Parts: sequence; C-alpha cells; structure tokens
Amino acid sequence: NAGVTQTPKFQVLKTGQSMTLQCAQDMNHNSMYWYRQDPGMGLRLIYYSASEGTTDKGEVPNGYNVSRLNKREFSLRLESAAPSQTSVYFCASSEHSPNEQFFGPGTRLTVL
Amino acid sequence: QKEVEQDPGPLSVPEGAIVSLNCTYSNSAFQYFMWYRQYSRKGPELLMYTYSSGNKEDGRFTAQVDKSSKYISLFIRDSQPSDSATYLCAMSATDAGGTSYGKLTFGQGTILTVHP
Repeated sequence: NAGVTQTPKFQVLKTGQSMTLQCAQDMNHNSMYWYRQDPGMGLRLIYYSASEGTTDKGEVPNGYNVSRLNKREFSLRLESAAPSQTSVYFCASSEHSPNEQFFGPGTRLTVL
Repeated sequence: QKEVEQDPGPLSVPEGAIVSLNCTYSNSAFQYFMWYRQYSRKGPELLMYTYSSGNKEDGRFTAQVDKSSKYISLFIRDSQPSDSATYLCAMSATDAGGTSYGKLTFGQGTILTVHP
C-alpha cells in the first residue's frame, strides 16, 4: 500500500495563477483532510471531507476550494494564488477514528 | 492567543535522557489529545492518542493529560538519536452529540535533537 500520495511534490507559481493539488489514498478511508504548515504556526486545517460527497471548511478556508472526486481522491484548488499561500500542504485521511490521521508527504508551494 | 501553545524549542538532549514535551490549551471542549512526530521534510505520523484525562504508555513513550490544568505532556524514556524530530501536539473537540470529525488543532511543534 502506498498510503496517502500527493502530487506534485514541489511547485512554484506566480501571483494570480491557479493550480490544483492532488491527493489520493489507497486505504479505503472515509475521511480526508487538507492542512497547511507554516513556520511557527503548526498545521492548520483548510478543508475536510468526512465522507464521499461532503466537504466542510476548516480553520483557514479562504482562497481555497476542494473537491472530493471519489472515495480515494480529494483535491485542493487555488484559484488565484497569492504570496500568503506559500506553504507546505499536507493531505491526510482517517477511518475508524477521525483523530488518527495518516498524512501524505506534502507539497511545497511557493507563490512569487 | 492561540488555542494550543507549545514551546518550539529547540530542545537538545544526550542519548539516554528522559525528554519531556508539553502543551497547554485554552479550549475546554477538547476531548481528544494526540502527539504526532514529524521527521524533516516528511508528513506527520501519529505517535500517541488519548481520550480525556489520564496516562497512556507505549514502549518508551508516555502521554499524560490533565484536563483540570489544560496541560498535556509526552515523555520519552531512554531517548535515541532516531527520536530526533519535531513533535506536534494536536487536539480535537466533539459536537453536542459526542461526534468528533477530526478537526485537529495543532501546537506549533517542538524540535527535538538527541545527540549520541
């Protein structure tokens, strides 16, 4: 099992460009999450999906949209990137206990 | 004020030392308390998971929760160089029906180095 995979690993964008971060899990988990990690801030929840077909906002949803494409995949879209969105983005999934989350390797995004 | 406060360190200890990592929090609704370990340039991995107050032990690791003081700790006994990582505390609350949706609130992480 690959666990949680994220693509791309690295990305550089210019202000105003759009992009989609992809996340997939092969553990048949129901719940999936998107976090961002910034120095001195820990991880902050952007959006989550408790089950296929549902999505909800987390702590810092502004500037992002998500799509739960199917049970395996949960994508994060930046419509018009801003330098404040420079961060490391982590996707996670969970099954029986929503607090036991399995994280992907992260996507390092720089917005110039 | 952040809901969860964690001393970022860095903390440097010799191999074999006992390490104490701590977090304080302000939200009395938190019921679930987790410790995640994150190696450099990797995703976090769950280390310990406790519900409400009390202690939990797993090998060299012990997690303690004191809800009355809003204080949680992680102790690492006989620390090893392989324990060098960032340790993140995380917490979550439940809704009125007792359901947790995994909306974790993280501390900023403590950087630990165990030197041989």
